[in-house]
Amino acid sequence: AQKVTQAQTEISVVEKEDVTLDCVYETRDTTYYLFWYKQPPSGELVFLIRRNSFDEQNEISGRYSWNFQKSTSSFNFTITASQVVDSAVYFCALKPNAGGTSYGKLTFGQGTILTVHP
Amino acid sequence: KAGVTQTPRYLIKTRGQQVTLSCSPISGHRSVSWYQQTPGQGLQFLFEYFSETQRNKGNFPGRFSGRQFSNSRSEMNVSTLELGDSALYLCASSLTYLGRTSSSYEQYFGPGTRLTVT
Repeated sequence: AQKVTQAQTEISVVEKEDVTLDCVYETRDTTYYLFWYKQPPSGELVFLIRRNSFDEQNEISGRYSWNFQKSTSSFNFTITASQVVDSAVYFCALKPNAGGTSYGKLTFGQGTILTVHP
Repeated sequence: KAGVTQTPRYLIKTRGQQVTLSCSPISGHRSVSWYQQTPGQGLQFLFEYFSETQRNKGNFPGRFSGRQFSNSRSEMNVSTLELGDSALYLCASSLTYLGRTSSSYEQYFGPGTRLTVT
Protein backbone atom coordinates (compact mmCIF):
# COMPACT_ATOMS: atom_id res chain seq x y z
CA ALA A 1 0.00 0.00 0.00
CA GLN A 2 1.13 3.52 -0.55
CA LYS A 3 0.50 6.56 1.54
CA VAL A 4 1.20 10.28 1.37
CA THR A 5 1.23 12.39 4.51
CA GLN A 6 1.10 16.16 4.63
CA ALA A 7 1.49 16.88 8.30
CA GLN A 8 0.52 20.54 8.07
CA THR A 9 -3.22 20.94 7.74
CA GLU A 10 -3.11 24.71 7.61
CA ILE A 11 -0.36 27.31 7.34
CA SER A 12 -0.83 31.02 7.67
CA VAL A 13 1.91 33.48 6.71
CA VAL A 14 2.28 37.15 5.94
CA GLU A 15 3.16 38.23 2.43
CA LYS A 16 6.87 38.03 1.55
CA GLU A 17 7.55 35.32 4.12
CA ASP A 18 9.06 32.05 2.94
CA VAL A 19 6.98 28.96 3.59
CA THR A 20 7.72 25.23 3.33
CA LEU A 21 5.06 22.58 2.84
CA ASP A 22 6.07 19.13 4.01
CA CYS A 23 5.31 15.86 2.26
CA VAL A 24 6.31 12.40 3.43
CA TYR A 25 5.41 9.29 1.49
CA GLU A 26 5.39 5.52 1.88
CA THR A 27 5.66 3.04 -0.95
CA ARG A 28 7.08 -0.41 -1.57
CA ASP A 29 7.72 0.40 -5.19
CA THR A 30 11.29 1.09 -6.22
CA THR A 31 10.28 3.44 -8.98
CA TYR A 32 7.63 6.08 -8.69
CA TYR A 33 6.67 9.65 -9.48
CA LEU A 34 5.95 12.39 -7.00
CA PHE A 35 3.78 15.40 -7.76
CA TRP A 36 2.66 18.68 -6.30
CA TYR A 37 -0.66 20.23 -7.26
CA LYS A 38 -2.22 23.55 -6.33
CA GLN A 39 -5.96 23.92 -5.88
CA PRO A 40 -7.10 27.55 -5.83
CA PRO A 41 -10.61 28.49 -4.60
CA SER A 42 -11.95 27.86 -8.11
CA GLY A 43 -11.43 24.16 -7.46
CA GLU A 44 -9.35 23.18 -10.46
CA LEU A 45 -6.16 21.29 -9.62
CA VAL A 46 -3.12 22.87 -11.20
CA PHE A 47 -0.05 20.76 -11.88
CA LEU A 48 3.14 22.24 -10.39
CA ILE A 49 5.85 19.62 -10.66
CA ARG A 50 6.59 15.94 -11.30
CA ARG A 51 9.70 14.22 -9.90
CA ASN A 52 10.95 10.78 -10.87
CA SER A 53 12.26 8.69 -7.98
CA PHE A 54 15.54 8.27 -9.83
CA ASP A 55 16.16 11.97 -9.90
CA GLU A 56 17.00 13.51 -6.54
CA GLN A 57 18.17 16.78 -7.96
CA ASN A 58 16.39 19.70 -6.36
CA GLU A 59 14.44 21.98 -8.64
CA ILE A 60 13.72 25.68 -8.63
CA SER A 61 11.09 27.41 -10.71
CA GLY A 62 10.82 31.09 -9.99
CA ARG A 63 9.70 31.47 -6.38
CA TYR A 64 9.00 27.74 -6.09
CA SER A 65 11.56 25.12 -5.12
CA TRP A 66 11.34 21.46 -4.29
CA ASN A 67 13.57 19.33 -2.10
CA PHE A 68 13.40 15.59 -2.76
CA GLN A 69 15.19 13.32 -0.28
CA LYS A 70 14.73 9.66 -0.98
CA SER A 71 16.55 8.66 2.21
CA THR A 72 13.82 10.26 4.32
CA SER A 73 10.98 9.70 1.81
CA SER A 74 10.23 13.38 1.70
CA PHE A 75 9.38 15.78 -1.09
CA ASN A 76 9.04 19.24 0.42
CA PHE A 77 7.87 22.35 -1.39
CA THR A 78 9.08 25.86 -0.58
CA ILE A 79 7.57 29.14 -1.71
CA THR A 80 9.95 32.06 -1.40
CA ALA A 81 8.61 35.56 -0.82
CA SER A 82 5.01 34.37 -0.68
CA GLN A 83 2.24 36.37 -2.28
CA VAL A 84 -1.49 36.58 -1.64
CA VAL A 85 -2.10 34.76 -4.94
CA ASP A 86 -0.30 31.74 -3.49
CA SER A 87 -3.23 31.18 -1.14
CA ALA A 88 -4.64 27.77 -2.05
CA VAL A 89 -4.70 24.15 -1.02
CA TYR A 90 -1.56 22.29 -2.01
CA PHE A 91 -1.50 18.56 -2.57
CA CYS A 92 1.40 16.17 -2.72
CA ALA A 93 0.78 12.95 -4.68
CA LEU A 94 2.51 9.66 -5.48
CA LYS A 95 2.21 7.36 -8.48
CA PRO A 96 4.03 4.03 -8.73
CA ASN A 97 5.66 2.91 -11.95
CA ALA A 98 5.77 -0.77 -11.14
CA GLY A 99 3.08 -3.43 -10.83
CA GLY A 100 1.06 -4.26 -7.76
CA THR A 101 -2.27 -3.22 -6.33
CA SER A 102 -1.41 0.44 -6.55
CA TYR A 103 -0.37 0.13 -10.16
CA GLY A 104 -1.22 3.35 -11.94
CA LYS A 105 -3.15 4.91 -9.09
CA LEU A 106 -2.37 8.43 -8.02
CA THR A 107 -2.48 8.70 -4.23
CA PHE A 108 -2.90 12.17 -2.74
CA GLY A 109 -2.01 13.58 0.63
CA GLN A 110 -4.72 15.31 2.63
CA GLY A 111 -3.60 18.71 1.45
CA THR A 112 -2.22 21.80 3.17
CA ILE A 113 -4.29 24.97 3.22
CA LEU A 114 -1.97 27.91 2.73
CA THR A 115 -3.23 31.39 3.52
CA VAL A 116 -1.02 34.34 2.70
CA HIS A 117 -2.11 37.57 4.36
CA PRO A 118 -1.28 40.98 2.85
CA LYS B 1 -5.91 24.66 -26.82
CA ALA B 2 -9.06 24.10 -24.74
CA GLY B 3 -8.64 22.56 -21.31
CA VAL B 4 -10.55 19.75 -19.68
CA THR B 5 -14.25 20.52 -19.48
CA GLN B 6 -16.75 19.01 -17.11
CA THR B 7 -20.50 19.25 -17.20
CA PRO B 8 -22.53 20.10 -15.32
CA ARG B 9 -20.58 22.24 -12.90
CA TYR B 10 -23.16 21.98 -10.15
CA LEU B 11 -25.79 19.37 -9.47
CA ILE B 12 -28.31 18.74 -6.74
CA LYS B 13 -29.87 15.31 -6.46
CA THR B 14 -31.99 13.39 -3.99
CA ARG B 15 -31.03 10.19 -2.21
CA GLY B 16 -31.82 7.15 -4.29
CA GLN B 17 -31.53 8.94 -7.61
CA GLN B 18 -28.80 8.35 -10.13
CA VAL B 19 -26.51 10.88 -11.78
CA THR B 20 -24.27 11.04 -14.84
CA LEU B 21 -21.31 13.38 -15.04
CA SER B 22 -19.45 14.19 -18.23
CA CYS B 23 -15.82 14.96 -18.97
CA SER B 24 -14.25 16.10 -22.23
CA PRO B 25 -10.46 15.73 -22.23
CA ILE B 26 -7.94 17.97 -23.88
CA SER B 27 -7.83 17.36 -27.61
CA GLY B 28 -5.44 14.51 -28.36
CA HIS B 29 -5.51 13.10 -24.84
CA ARG B 30 -6.68 9.50 -24.67
CA SER B 31 -6.68 8.89 -20.94
CA VAL B 32 -9.31 10.13 -18.53
CA SER B 33 -9.22 9.63 -14.77
CA TRP B 34 -11.89 10.43 -12.22
CA TYR B 35 -11.42 11.51 -8.62
CA GLN B 36 -13.75 12.20 -5.74
CA GLN B 37 -12.89 15.00 -3.32
CA THR B 38 -14.60 15.30 0.06
CA PRO B 39 -13.58 17.17 3.22
CA GLY B 40 -13.37 13.93 5.18
CA GLN B 41 -11.65 11.58 2.74
CA GLY B 42 -9.73 14.05 0.65
CA LEU B 43 -8.91 13.25 -2.96
CA GLN B 44 -9.56 9.65 -3.90
CA PHE B 45 -9.00 7.88 -7.19
CA LEU B 46 -12.15 6.45 -8.75
CA PHE B 47 -11.11 4.97 -12.06
CA GLU B 48 -9.15 5.54 -15.23
CA TYR B 49 -10.01 4.94 -18.85
CA PHE B 50 -7.76 4.72 -21.86
CA SER B 51 -8.90 3.93 -25.38
CA GLU B 52 -12.39 3.08 -24.14
CA THR B 53 -11.05 0.51 -21.65
CA GLN B 54 -11.00 0.81 -17.89
CA ARG B 55 -7.32 0.52 -16.91
CA ASN B 56 -7.58 0.91 -13.18
CA LYS B 57 -10.18 1.21 -10.47
CA GLY B 58 -10.17 2.63 -6.97
CA ASN B 59 -11.89 1.25 -3.89
CA PHE B 60 -15.41 2.40 -4.52
CA PRO B 61 -18.65 0.38 -4.52
CA GLY B 62 -20.21 -0.87 -7.72
CA ARG B 63 -22.67 2.04 -7.67
CA PHE B 64 -19.86 4.06 -9.22
CA SER B 65 -19.25 3.24 -12.85
CA GLY B 66 -17.84 4.92 -15.88
CA ARG B 67 -17.19 4.61 -19.55
CA GLN B 68 -15.20 6.23 -22.29
CA PHE B 69 -16.29 6.88 -25.83
CA SER B 70 -14.32 6.61 -29.05
CA ASN B 71 -13.70 10.38 -29.01
CA SER B 72 -12.14 9.98 -25.52
CA ARG B 73 -14.98 11.76 -23.78
CA SER B 74 -15.89 10.05 -20.56
CA GLU B 75 -18.90 9.77 -18.33
CA MET B 76 -19.22 8.54 -14.81
CA ASN B 77 -22.44 7.32 -13.29
CA VAL B 78 -23.47 7.00 -9.69
CA SER B 79 -26.61 5.01 -9.00
CA THR B 80 -28.71 4.95 -5.87
CA LEU B 81 -27.18 8.12 -4.52
CA GLU B 82 -26.32 8.39 -0.84
CA LEU B 83 -25.73 11.49 1.24
CA GLY B 84 -22.05 10.55 1.46
CA ASP B 85 -21.71 10.84 -2.30
CA SER B 86 -21.86 14.61 -1.98
CA ALA B 87 -18.48 15.72 -3.26
CA LEU B 88 -16.48 17.51 -5.88
CA TYR B 89 -15.86 15.09 -8.75
CA LEU B 90 -12.74 15.89 -10.69
CA CYS B 91 -11.78 14.61 -14.08
CA ALA B 92 -8.23 14.63 -15.41
CA SER B 93 -6.86 13.89 -18.83
CA SER B 94 -3.44 12.86 -20.05
CA LEU B 95 -1.82 11.63 -23.23
CA THR B 96 -1.31 8.15 -21.90
CA TYR B 97 -2.58 6.14 -18.98
CA LEU B 98 -1.24 6.23 -15.46
CA GLY B 99 0.09 2.70 -15.52
CA ARG B 100 2.37 3.32 -18.45
CA THR B 101 5.86 4.44 -17.68
CA SER B 102 6.37 7.69 -19.45
CA SER B 103 8.68 10.55 -18.78
CA SER B 104 6.21 12.87 -20.43
CA TYR B 105 3.25 11.83 -18.33
CA GLU B 106 1.23 14.73 -16.98
CA GLN B 107 -2.39 15.06 -15.90
CA TYR B 108 -4.53 18.11 -16.47
CA PHE B 109 -7.59 18.56 -14.29
CA GLY B 110 -10.97 20.01 -15.09
CA PRO B 111 -12.86 22.43 -12.81
CA GLY B 112 -14.95 19.62 -11.33
CA THR B 113 -18.63 18.92 -10.83
CA ARG B 114 -19.99 19.79 -7.41
CA LEU B 115 -22.61 17.15 -6.54
CA THR B 116 -24.90 17.70 -3.59
CA VAL B 117 -27.14 14.86 -2.46
CA THR B 118 -30.06 15.82 -0.22
